[in-house]
Amino acid sequence: EPEVTQTPSHQVTQMGQEVILRCVPISNHLYFYWYRQILGQKVEFLVSFYNNEISEKSEIFDDQFSVERPDGSNFTLKIRSTKLEDSAMYFCASRARIGLGLAGVNEQFFGPGTRLTVL
Amino acid sequence: KNEVEQSPQNLTAQEGEFITINCSYSVGISALHWLQQHPGGGIVSLFMLSSGKKKHGRLIATINIQEKHSSLHITASHPRDSAVYICAVSPPNTGNQFYFGTGTSLTVIP
Repeated sequence: EPEVTQTPSHQVTQMGQEVILRCVPISNHLYFYWYRQILGQKVEFLVSFYNNEISEKSEIFDDQFSVERPDGSNFTLKIRSTKLEDSAMYFCASRARIGLGLAGVNEQFFGPGTRLTVL
Repeated sequence: KNEVEQSPQNLTAQEGEFITINCSYSVGISALHWLQQHPGGGIVSLFMLSSGKKKHGRLIATINIQEKHSSLHITASHPRDSAVYICAVSPPNTGNQFYFGTGTSLTVIP
């Protein structure tokens, strides 16, 4: 069964360093997402990506964050200068449309997550 | 502002008990999702509902669109069911963003 994969599973970095979190979405999906979950808090939407550009982003997704799909399979989240408060679990997801037309619904498939720890 | 509310926040049950987790939402949706998150952190999709009821093994999910309410039931609970159960809704038209509940932490004691 196809699945979303993420690497690394755990990343430890020093404050101020750049990190790149990698995701391989399900191959025939067209919409991709990044979410984060700070320990003990609910999952929060960061950004959605379609047709090689950002389609929606939240207030959390500021200039320190960027996404790209460099090679048609990987989908990356870059944090340019990490802060302590960026420590969280980061989930990638890709979307499939189930059903046709207005009756269709969107189902997202989540990756296993990358736990980012900023020291 | 919480678009999705779950109750209870924490739940402890004895093995074999019937469990219900509730979710209420305040936005229009195209579908509601029940997700399971194990202690390692990974998220697994359990159900996607747009109406009625779905059953998978010992898990049953129901939704009442008019009342904007969904329930997740676990019959004959088992310690391996211990996890955080998250309700999430996807808005219509865009589907770009899921709104997540805060999750219900379930512990099933042998």
